[in-house]
Amino acid sequence: NAGVMQNPRHLVRRRGQEARLRCSPMKGHSHVYWYRQLPEEGLKFMVYLQKENIIDESGMPKERFSAEFPKEGPSILRIQQVVRGDSAAYFCASSLTTVLGGNTEAFFGQGTRLTVV
Amino acid sequence: GENVEQHPSTLSVQEGDSAVIKCTYSDSASNYFPWYKQELGKGPQLIIDIRSNVGEKKDQRIAVTLNKTAKHFSLHITETQPEDSAVYFCAAMGGSQGNLIFGKGTKLSVKP
Repeated sequence: NAGVMQNPRHLVRRRGQEARLRCSPMKGHSHVYWYRQLPEEGLKFMVYLQKENIIDESGMPKERFSAEFPKEGPSILRIQQVVRGDSAAYFCASSLTTVLGGNTEAFFGQGTRLTVV
Repeated sequence: GENVEQHPSTLSVQEGDSAVIKCTYSDSASNYFPWYKQELGKGPQLIIDIRSNVGEKKDQRIAVTLNKTAKHFSLHITETQPEDSAVYFCAAMGGSQGNLIFGKGTKLSVKP
């Protein structure tokens, strides 16, 4: 049973380009969370999705950032018109059901390291 | 919303000694508290978790304690080994949020 798969592992984009980060959750998991990590810092929550629905996007910047988790295929975090400040590691986690009040854990992928040049 | 504070930010111990990392949280409705270990260049790995209906949980050399009244929880690693060196994150979830809120991490160095 493969873990959470993220690709690409490393992504380099020029300022103004678009970045698309993919996350395939663990088999059977329908809850996906995206986090951003700056060097030497903790994980900051961005968005929580359940199949085809955005449950909580309170951590997402209002502009340029969007996320989706379609019925078929991986979850996508999309960053339009990237700027240098978007350079960070982006991690995705998945869980079987909602971790809130449930007996399930959230498992993380290896992350995508985005560098904006 | 939830706020998680973690201390210390760095911790250096001798091999074989114990290491303790402490976290506090603000939302009294939080009911799930996992700990993650992150090695350089890798994603966070869940090492132990505790839910609010228990006060302590142990798994070999790792234990976690929870004090709901004081709203703090701690990670204890005994008989530390060099391979325990990593960044450790605590997190909390519950209340009105369905997502994990993380502390800022503790960089643990175990010296042989």
